[in-house]
Amino acid sequence: DVKVTQSSRYLVKRTGEKVFLECVQDMDHENMFWYRQDPGLGLRLIYFSYDVKMKEKGDIPEGYSVSREKKERFSLILESASTNQTSMYLCASSSGQGHNEKLFFGSGTQLSVL
Amino acid sequence: GQNIDQPTEMTATEGAIVQINCTYQTSGFNGLFWYQQHAGEAPTFLSYNVLDGLEEKGRFSSFLSRSKGYSYLLLKELQMKDSASYLCAATDSNYQLIWGAGTKLIIKP
Repeated sequence: DVKVTQSSRYLVKRTGEKVFLECVQDMDHENMFWYRQDPGLGLRLIYFSYDVKMKEKGDIPEGYSVSREKKERFSLILESASTNQTSMYLCASSSGQGHNEKLFFGSGTQLSVL
Repeated sequence: GQNIDQPTEMTATEGAIVQINCTYQTSGFNGLFWYQQHAGEAPTFLSYNVLDGLEEKGRFSSFLSRSKGYSYLLLKELQMKDSASYLCAATDSNYQLIWGAGTKLIIKP
């Protein structure tokens, strides 16, 4: 069974802390994405990557950075967490075969910043 | 701007049929996805439409009208396990996904 695994299901951090969210996929996918999901809003793209060591800004990259040192791992970093970054974070991957490949999602990390 | 509209919540009865609508306004269009998301779980792919018409897949069907900027997801013979949120997403001219806020479907016995 194909899998996208996010390291933490729930995370509580304090304002100003540096936060790492890890995501690993076992499908040898080229493309990986980080979204945040907030009530009443559609998924919003934070960053994505089409290859190792490559990253592209999504719609809301401010306050975030990413790292993709290995093909299977895509990390989201909150350099200095703020309360408005309290959210559900979803990682996703897709193959690079075409433009409209379906996404495979992880179960999400619910981050609370106090 | 780019926008996806879908109802916030719908209620239906077990065994019945329900249609979840989605309208989109995007800069260009390259296809429309439907995903299912059970509470606390990952969204999972349901369907993809790029041409006009109805695509049937078991109890679930998805319809697209490109000229009207409209899609719907049709769920037949509803089961309690179909209680979930259904996410509509359209791809624009740059193949970027624009997501709706999701429709929470409540199934009653």
